[in-house]
Amino acid sequence: GDSVTQMEGPVTLSEEAFLTINCTYTATGYPSLFWYVQYPGEGLQLLLKATKADDKGSNKGFEATYRKETTSFHLEKGSVQVSDSAVYFCALTPSGSARQLTFGSGTQLTVLP
Amino acid sequence: DTAVSQTPKYLVTQMGNDKSIKCEQNLGHDTMYWYKQDSKKFLKIMFSYNNKELIINETVPNRFSPKSPDKAHLNLHINSLELGDSAVYFCASSQLDGGETQYFGPGTRLLVL
Repeated sequence: GDSVTQMEGPVTLSEEAFLTINCTYTATGYPSLFWYVQYPGEGLQLLLKATKADDKGSNKGFEATYRKETTSFHLEKGSVQVSDSAVYFCALTPSGSARQLTFGSGTQLTVLP
Repeated sequence: DTAVSQTPKYLVTQMGNDKSIKCEQNLGHDTMYWYKQDSKKFLKIMFSYNNKELIINETVPNRFSPKSPDKAHLNLHINSLELGDSAVYFCASSQLDGGETQYFGPGTRLLVL
C-alpha cells in the first residue's frame, strides 16, 4: 500500500537557521503530495502541495518540489522563525478516485530565539 | 465563519460509555473524513463519506460508526469506549474533484478513563 516516510524528530533550530525536513513516499501512479502543519493545540492546516512531477509548492517561505525520480517531497525554508515551531506532516493522496490522505509520522520542529 | 467545526473540543468519559462527536462543514464540499491521531501524533484515516455514502472504511472496530445525515455533516458515534480509544479525532472535508485539498477541523480530544 501507499506509505510516507518522514525524517525523525524532534528538530531544534535557532532562529534564522535553514530548515530541511525529508519526506519520501511509496505509491503507484502519480499521487498528489502535501505538507500540513499542526500548531500546538490546533488542527492541521495545509502548508503547500504539488500535484504533478517537478511541481514546486510554496507558502510562507516554505518550499517543496515533487521529485518523481527520487520519490521525494522535502520541505525547506531558508530562515525559520520562532513562530514556525509546530509539527509538520508530509502526506499523499493516491491517483484515482479514493482521496484519503496517507500521512508520515510527523516531525516536531522547535525554533529557539 | 469556521469552515470545519467539531463538537465537543474535549471529551472525558468512563470506559464502557457511548459517545458521539459531531462535525459540520460549511464549504459546500461533497466528501468528509474522520482521522484518528494517537499519542505519538500519528494520523490515520478511519472513514470517508462522499455525498452521504461510505467510500472508505479502514480497519477500525465496529464500535465506531459514522453517520452522515447530509452532505455538510459527518458524526462519529463510539460504543463501549475503551482506554485505547483515547486520542484526538479530526474531521476533514474536501471536494472530490476540486483539487484534493482537505480542510481539517480543530480536533476533539477524547480521554477514556
